[in-house]
Amino acid sequence: GAVVSQHPSRVICKSGTSVKIECRSLDFQATTMFWYRQFPKKSLMLMATSNEGSKATYEQGVEKDKFLINHASLTLSTLTVTSAHPEDSSFYICSAKGLAGGPGTQYFGPGTRLTVL
Amino acid sequence: GQNIDQPTEMTATEGAIVQINCTYQTSGFNGLFWYQQHAGEAPTFLSYNVLDGLEEKGRFSSFLSRSKGYSYLLLKELQMKDSASYLCAVLTGANNLFFGTGTRLTVIP
Repeated sequence: GAVVSQHPSRVICKSGTSVKIECRSLDFQATTMFWYRQFPKKSLMLMATSNEGSKATYEQGVEKDKFLINHASLTLSTLTVTSAHPEDSSFYICSAKGLAGGPGTQYFGPGTRLTVL
Repeated sequence: GQNIDQPTEMTATEGAIVQINCTYQTSGFNGLFWYQQHAGEAPTFLSYNVLDGLEEKGRFSSFLSRSKGYSYLLLKELQMKDSASYLCAVLTGANNLFFGTGTRLTVIP
């Protein structure tokens, strides 16, 4: 149980375009979803936290107008990278938390590798 | 500020034991997690410590000392498939996980 999927797994886009990444909890209801980014050989950096039906909370330094997060249902959150630039190229990972599980229990998706040309 | 320190890289021999250390200074503490991450994949949960002491789970054990801001992950009977990055993460609030930079472990024959 507790499976989280992401789509697409890889995406290559041109500079200036927008890219949408989906994160789905397949077998549980995710009351909270988290979006991380990871640069090569670096650790995960939390970008934002979203609760179903409410606005996302962004970490300091993350542009909310550039990284649009929507958590419209208990099983789906989307991250849209708007007007992408090469420096946005990174590994984006989502995680989801349901009502069950202990403190901090998050189930991670397989990640999406974004390359902006 | 918040800080988590781990060694960047470690190498160990198949069948041996390796200890990966983690020291932390965070604004809050609700527990410490260890994750395994293979290249290009998502992290997978290994252990969670919230009280001082040793938690053992098969070949993996994790230790926590809150007064020292210190934890370690112990891997026994190393296998080649254990080659991966190991991430130490502190739960600083109800849901916020703050990750260290990870330790890249290479297991050699």
